[in-house]
Amino acid sequence: GAVVSQHPSWVICKSGTSVKIECRSLDFQATTMFWYRQFPKQSLMLMATSNEGSKATYEQGVEKDKFLINHASLTLSTLTVTSAHPEDSSFYICSVPPGGRSTGELFFGEGSRLTVL
Amino acid sequence: AQKITQTQPGMFVQEKEAVTLDCTYDTSDPSYGLFWYKQPSSGEMIFLIYQGSYDQQNATEGRYSLNFQKARKSANLVISASQLGDSAMYFCAMREGLKDNFNKFYFGSGTKLNVKP
Repeated sequence: GAVVSQHPSWVICKSGTSVKIECRSLDFQATTMFWYRQFPKQSLMLMATSNEGSKATYEQGVEKDKFLINHASLTLSTLTVTSAHPEDSSFYICSVPPGGRSTGELFFGEGSRLTVL
Repeated sequence: AQKITQTQPGMFVQEKEAVTLDCTYDTSDPSYGLFWYKQPSSGEMIFLIYQGSYDQQNATEGRYSLNFQKARKSANLVISASQLGDSAMYFCAMREGLKDNFNKFYFGSGTKLNVKP
């Protein structure tokens, strides 16, 4: 299946700082990537759709100024959590649609666990 | 209404026995795909199995099979001969519409499976 790499896998930061998470598609070009957020023992919630060369599309209730998404190339999307606060502590996971596959499953990165102190 | 419902927050199964994880879905779109993912404690999402809405036969992948009952809108996952490594969270998911509708990808709340030795 598609190889998606996410970095860092975990990060601890102080309240008020910004944190950048990278999502890379390693074996094919992705014009679209998705960012999900998962709270402990809960399901995945789509935060935004990252579009290469254009603005991201955010889901209702997600602050676009808080969660900055940049899709600068066909293999890299970044999520920056700006001025992080403890309530931003969560598991963030990116996914890539492989395109062309008959089943159309999403492939996921390893996830990034953010803890804001 | 919930798009995907998983009514079993937690399940226990004895090693080497079979287990069924329940999933029901809700959509009015005639085209959709159903997926199961495994999420170990490390966090990555591992794709297990896919069932298309027009598929006549139940999907199987090794020890995984999907019991697809279209009229009941259920897509239960059956794991045969459980192994200790099967202990994880399992998410049922649905992609509504055609296979490129990745922004219409919905996840259930998950079932935590514990395999007992």
